[in-house]
Order: sequence, then C-alpha cells, then structure tokens
Amino acid sequence: DTGVSQNPRHKITKRGQNVTFRCDPISEHNRLYWYRQTLGQGPEFLTYFQNEAQLEKSRLLSDRFSAERPKGSFSTLEIQRTEQGDSAMYLCASSSHSGGNYEQYFGPGTRLTVT
Amino acid sequence: DQQVKQNSPSLSVQEGRISILNCDYTNSMFDYFLWYKKYPAEGPTFLISISSIKDKNEDGRFTVFLNKSAKHLSLHIVPSQPGDSAVYFCAATSAISGNTGKLIFGQGTTLQVKP
Repeated sequence: DTGVSQNPRHKITKRGQNVTFRCDPISEHNRLYWYRQTLGQGPEFLTYFQNEAQLEKSRLLSDRFSAERPKGSFSTLEIQRTEQGDSAMYLCASSSHSGGNYEQYFGPGTRLTVT
Repeated sequence: DQQVKQNSPSLSVQEGRISILNCDYTNSMFDYFLWYKKYPAEGPTFLISISSIKDKNEDGRFTVFLNKSAKHLSLHIVPSQPGDSAVYFCAATSAISGNTGKLIFGQGTTLQVKP
C-alpha cells in the first residue's frame, strides 16, 4: 500500500466556481478525516467518516461544503461557489484506531487557490 | 479558543545538539498526543505518540515526554540532524470509545538544524 493519496495536488479556480477533491485512504483504514490548513496555522478539523457514515462536521464546514464517502472507500470534498477565503491546503487523513493506536496518516494535500 | 498551543514559532539548533520542542494543552479530556513533521508542499508525517497513561515514549532519536499535571508535552530530538529541519506540529485527541478521534493541532514550530 502506498499510503493516502489525494487528487488533484493543486487547483486554481475563479471565485464562484465549484471544485471537487478526491482522497483515497489506506485500504484497511475505516476512519477518514478532512482537515484544512492555512498559512502559519496547524491543520483544522473539517469532517470525519467511519466507513461510509459521516459522523461529525466542524462548524468550519459551511453549507457550501459537502463531503461523501460512498461504499466506505475513497472520499470526495466539494466546495460550491468558492470564495477567496476558501484558499487553503485541504488535507485528508485515515486511521484504523486499532490496538490502542490512534495515529492518523495524511495524504500530500490539495492546494486550492481561489482568484 | 486555542486548545493546543506551541508558543515558540521557531527554533534553531546546531547539528548534533538536542532539539526540544514544547507544547501545552488546556482540555483535560485529551488523553492521546502526537507529533507530526511537515515539509513544504507535503502532508504531515507521523513521528511519535504518547498515551496519557505514560509519561515518556522513545523511538530512536525521538522522545516525547508528557506532564499531565502541567498539561505540557515536549519532543526531544537527539542528536539533531540537518534533515530534521521542518515544521513540527503537536496534536491531541480524546481516544475514549465513541469519540471521533479528530486531532486538534498546535500552530507549529519551525525547526532549523544548522550543519
């Protein structure tokens, strides 16, 4: 297994457009997380899936954001009507929470720039 | 409300010496702590973790110390190497069964190891 992958790595879009990002977690991990990181800050939690169920959403996740994880495998994060404030690095992480280990393994991220 | 704080934005040490990165937290529900390393344009890479039932965990050159009464943890890197130069993030979570396990990150400390 090659770890968590994310596509695209970079996305430049104009304000008002919709964008969609994809995350492929480590195959045996049932937990999947999305985070957002802006310059000079640590990653901030956005949403969490256990298998296909979305069990928690941060208040950072406005109505313009939606995430899915069909069949409990890959996940997508869609941002509708993008705003300049959405410019950030979007990170996906997965974990198994087995054996007393709670580490999350991150993908390389998708850098979004809204012009 | 910053529940996890890394008060030193940057640290510079000489190769071969010890690097000590500090982290404070405020939420008593946190019972599992992690350190991540991040290079530019990459996702965070897991380094080492510690459960609240321990006060020390060691892995090669990396040791994490936890002081629960002070709500403080530190990462020691000995000996420091130029390849250790990166941004280091402290993260915390509540691993209680039923919780999502989302990570709360500090702002990060940029470590520079000089040859």
